[in-house]
Amino acid sequence: DIQMTQSPSSVSASVGDRVTITCRATQNILSYLNWYQQKPGKAPQLLIYAASSLQSGVPSRFSGSGSGTDFTLTISSLQPEDFATYYCQQSYSTFRTFGQGTKLEIK
Amino acid sequence: QLQLQESGSGLVRPSQTLSLTCTVSGGSISSGGYSWTWIRQTPGKGLEWIGYISLSVGPQYNPSLHSRVTISLDRSKNQFSLKVTSVTAADTAIYYCARDYGDYYNWFDPWGQGALVTVSS
Repeated sequence: DIQMTQSPSSVSASVGDRVTITCRATQNILSYLNWYQQKPGKAPQLLIYAASSLQSGVPSRFSGSGSGTDFTLTISSLQPEDFATYYCQQSYSTFRTFGQGTKLEIK
Repeated sequence: QLQLQESGSGLVRPSQTLSLTCTVSGGSISSGGYSWTWIRQTPGKGLEWIGYISLSVGPQYNPSLHSRVTISLDRSKNQFSLKVTSVTAADTAIYYCARDYGDYYNWFDPWGQGALVTVSS
């Protein structure tokens, strides 16, 4: 199976900061990489699909990049509602796998 | 707008069978060629893909769960279901249903709200 590793596992930041989260795959997954945001008590919600395509309704401060094995999710200017946990997920393999999550906390 | 809702038993005895149903509204599970997916979440293992089913391709399961899992479709009720046999405490989790969307690139959207299942005697 394809293992997905996110870094950091947690990060503290302030409103207005720029934050970057990294996701690495154990093999080449081309651009078959998605990002989700999860808030406490809620299901994950799609932010970015196909590595860099913004899901409809998602603010433009979110962006994704990368291909192959290394990917990044960037939030350009943190807003209060962005403090949540973020997950990457690969869809290259039928056996879908997720990263372990990155918790974004308020500094 | 497509919506998914999980339902089923919240408490299951060890060694028994966990059964959950996902009801799809706002669209048909028979259209679009999508795959209908179960995912679970635990504090220890995070998000774990259990498997999916579609009309065009038979069910696909996580190899680590394959021997205990069955996912099925009920087109007449616009539902799909999950059964996990011989459960243990390790199967305690929040279970989500979701649509695996896309033709070339795929992603999970939308998700159900989740159903907490506790395995305990």
